[in-house]
Amino acid sequence: AQTVTQSQPEMSVQEAETVTLSCTYDTSESDYYLFWYKQPPSRQMILVIRQEAYKQQNATENRFSVNFQKAAKSFSLKISDSQLGDAAMYFCAYRSADSNYQLIWGAGTKLIIKP
Amino acid sequence: EAGVAQSPRYKIIEKRQSVAFWCNPISGHATLYWYQQILGQGPKLLIQFQNNGVVDDSQLPKDRFSAERLKGVDSTLKIQPAKLEDSAVYLCASSLVGGGSGNTIYFGEGSWLTVV
Repeated sequence: AQTVTQSQPEMSVQEAETVTLSCTYDTSESDYYLFWYKQPPSRQMILVIRQEAYKQQNATENRFSVNFQKAAKSFSLKISDSQLGDAAMYFCAYRSADSNYQLIWGAGTKLIIKP
Repeated sequence: EAGVAQSPRYKIIEKRQSVAFWCNPISGHATLYWYQQILGQGPKLLIQFQNNGVVDDSQLPKDRFSAERLKGVDSTLKIQPAKLEDSAVYLCASSLVGGGSGNTIYFGEGSWLTVV
């Protein structure tokens, strides 16, 4: 069975600085998708960025980018120029490319932005 | 494009009472999910529908929870009778079925339940 591990329960960063959130996963599959979701205090789960396993190029969305290391089964999220609005819980998730399309979630990392 | 709609946003009930949550997925999304998220934890899948059929309900406590998606669009999640440990946010989500961007799951704002 697939598992997702986020080893950092909490991270803090100074506003305007860069922070990296870690995520590792375990799978025997070769075709899958990886996601980072942000959950602010409102509790809505908001998609930040996604990565297809078959793509070697790391995904980027404005200030958010990932470092996808398929062989190492690592999928870290880098947030550049951190802003106060980035404060939230960040969840890493894995989704198999098989027919059920269910998400496997990490435990989350709480990101604190210091003004 | 309208997102996933959920209601009510907040509900407080006494234990042993019943409650129902409603979800309207993104138009055209065949797959609908209900997740339970207890404070401090990641979401736990309760049930997954594809159109109006159940794909997975292995983690749904069927003695008290039920869900339906009669016409393959809107869905209702019911809890009866509620227990204190059911206090959580209930997240509805939807996705297309297929490749490409269809593999992204989009979430609603959630329904907060407090059982007292």
